[in-house]
Amino acid sequence: EIVLTQSPGTLSLSPGERATLSCRASQSISSYYLAWYQQKPGQAPRLVIYGASSRATGVPDRFSGSGSGTDFTLTISRLEREDFAVYYCQQYGTSPPNSFGQGTKLEIK
Amino acid sequence: EEQLMESGGGVVRPGGSLRLSCAASGFTFDDYGMAWVRQAPGKGLEWVSGIDWNAGSTSYADSVKGRFTISRDNAMNSLYLQMNSLRAEDTALYYCARVTGGLTLGAFDIWGQGTLVTVSS
Repeated sequence: EIVLTQSPGTLSLSPGERATLSCRASQSISSYYLAWYQQKPGQAPRLVIYGASSRATGVPDRFSGSGSGTDFTLTISRLEREDFAVYYCQQYGTSPPNSFGQGTKLEIK
Repeated sequence: EEQLMESGGGVVRPGGSLRLSCAASGFTFDDYGMAWVRQAPGKGLEWVSGIDWNAGSTSYADSVKGRFTISRDNAMNSLYLQMNSLRAEDTALYYCARVTGGLTLGAFDIWGQGTLVTVSS
């Protein structure tokens, strides 16, 4: 089973700063099968990035994804207040078909 | 508007059963695989089960295998999750989600608002 480990657990930044969130897999996964989700309190998750680097519909271009093999990154270039949330990475290419990281909480400093 | 709406959650005793439903609207339901994802109170996301576009392939997390059954009715635009032998650790908000593609594999691009299942004596 592939285990995804996200770091840091909590990231405290100010609006306008750059955020870098990490997701590391216990074994190599195809870049095609890595996604990132945003979840705000009391809301369902929202797909942000799929295929490691493709933005989902309606996602602002300040969000970008990168990485390959076992190391993947979600970058938010200039944080806006609406971006503060919990972010999860997910792999969907191997068996079991889907697993999530434990999440990174992005909070306002 | 593409939407998913779950129903069927509630309070059930350990060992009991519950059937969750998810009604889809605003898109061609049988073009997509579907999945159930759960979130225990204050915890992260856990994939539970997935089904491909025509129910030809299903998959389950080890934690629910043999107890939960996923199914779909494309004529009714509906997804289901039959949950048997429920345990306290199954207590969670259960989300229905659309898979980006017709298979069980894929990112989840549309989510419902969730239905709460509480297993307690």
